[in-house]
Amino acid sequence: EPEVTQTPSHQVTQMGQEVILRCVPISNHLYFYWYRQILGQKVEFLVSFYNNEISEKSEIFDDQFSVERPDGSNFTLKIRSTKLEDSAMYFCASREGWGGSSYEQYFGPGTRLTVT
Amino acid sequence: AQKITQTQPGMFVQEKEAVTLDCTYDTSDQSYGLFWYKQPSSGEMIFLIYQGSYDEQNATEGRYSLNFQKARKSANLVISASQLGDSAMYFCAMSVASGGGADGLTFGKGTHLIIQP
Repeated sequence: EPEVTQTPSHQVTQMGQEVILRCVPISNHLYFYWYRQILGQKVEFLVSFYNNEISEKSEIFDDQFSVERPDGSNFTLKIRSTKLEDSAMYFCASREGWGGSSYEQYFGPGTRLTVT
Repeated sequence: AQKITQTQPGMFVQEKEAVTLDCTYDTSDQSYGLFWYKQPSSGEMIFLIYQGSYDEQNATEGRYSLNFQKARKSANLVISASQLGDSAMYFCAMSVASGGGADGLTFGKGTHLIIQP
């Protein structure tokens, strides 16, 4: 069964450094998302991406964050100048299209980011 | 803005009993979708069930069913014949159609379900 993959599974970085989290969505999917989950808290939406541009972003997704689809398969989240409060699990998700069961967002296994 | 409320932070249930996890939502949109995800201790997010706002029948997927009461804005998850492997965090979530299809999910705070033998 096709699945969303994410690399790395765990990233440790120092405060102020830049990190890039990578995702490979399911190949025929059209919508891509990033979410984060701070330890013990709920999952929070960051950004959605469709047709090679950002469709929607939350208040969390400020200038520190950027997303890119550099080729036909990868979808990346870049965090510039990381802060301690950026420590969280970051999930990538993808969705096939609009209507019916294609509403389902398939989540990747997550990247645990630890900022020290 | 959308809001999801899950009022049960934790639940203990005996194995083989049925479980109802509560979820209420708030939105001004007429077209929306409601979801339940399971998050075991390993951390992945597993999709369980989906209900569209215009669906007349309650959604069912195996042992999972969604008790959708539109007037009350509730979307409770029912797990029949619970199993030890059902122990996990359960998140209710919604998305709306006004964003042209790319809207992100708004999640509740979750319910930690523990199934006891």
